[in-house]
Amino acid sequence: GQQVMQIPQYQHVQEGEDFTTYCNSSTTLSNIQWYKQRPGGHPVFLIQLVKSGEVKKQKRLTFQFGEAKKNSSLHITATQTTDVGTYFCAEHGSGNTGKLIFGQGTTLQVKP
Amino acid sequence: DAGITQSPRHKVTETGTPVTLRCHQTENHRYMYWYRQDPGHGLRLIHYSYGVKDTDKGEVSDGYSVSRSKTEDFLLTLESATSSQTSVYFCAISESWTAGLLGEKLFFGSGTQLSVL
Repeated sequence: GQQVMQIPQYQHVQEGEDFTTYCNSSTTLSNIQWYKQRPGGHPVFLIQLVKSGEVKKQKRLTFQFGEAKKNSSLHITATQTTDVGTYFCAEHGSGNTGKLIFGQGTTLQVKP
Repeated sequence: DAGITQSPRHKVTETGTPVTLRCHQTENHRYMYWYRQDPGHGLRLIHYSYGVKDTDKGEVSDGYSVSRSKTEDFLLTLESATSSQTSVYFCAISESWTAGLLGEKLFFGSGTQLSVL
C-alpha cells in the first residue's frame, strides 16, 4: 500500500545548527503535506507541495518537492528552541480517496 | 484553532470492555478522520469518513469500528479493548478533497489518551 518513509527518526542539534528531515516514497505522490507537533500537542499543518521541483519557504523553514515527486524535504536554518517538536510528512497517494497517510515523523531536540 | 472537540480527554479502562471515543466538530467539514499515535509509528489512520454514513478503513482498522450519523459527530468504538490499543487517539477534519492534485489540510483535535489495563 501507499507508504512514506521519513528519516531520521530523531535528531539532536545545538541551537543555531541547521536541521533537515527527509520523506521518501516508492510511488509518485500527487502532493505532500508537512505538519509540526509540539511536545504534548496535536499536529498542526505547515505547508502543502504539489508541483514537481517545488520549493516553498516560511521564514527559516524551506520545503522541497522532488523532481520525480517521490521525495520531499524540510530544512530548518539556524534552529531555535521553539523549533522543538516532531515533524511529519503526509501524502494522499494515488487513487481517488481522501486518505492522508503520515510518515513516522522526525523528532527534533534543540539544545540551548 | 478549528472547532474540534474530542471526548473524553483521558480514559483508563480494562481489557475486554467496550470503549467509545467521540469527535465533535463545529466547522461543517465533510471529511473526518481517526488516527492513533504510538512511539516509533507516527500517526496511523484507523478509519475515515467522507460524509454522513460514509466511512472507509484506514491502515489499522482491525478491532475498531466507526459511525457518523451526523456531519458534526464521528464516533470511534473499540468493541473489546485490548492492551495493544493503549494509545493517543486524534480526530481530524478537512473541508474537502480534490481528486488528483490537491488535498485540503487537516485540522486536529487535542487527542484522547486511552490506557487499557
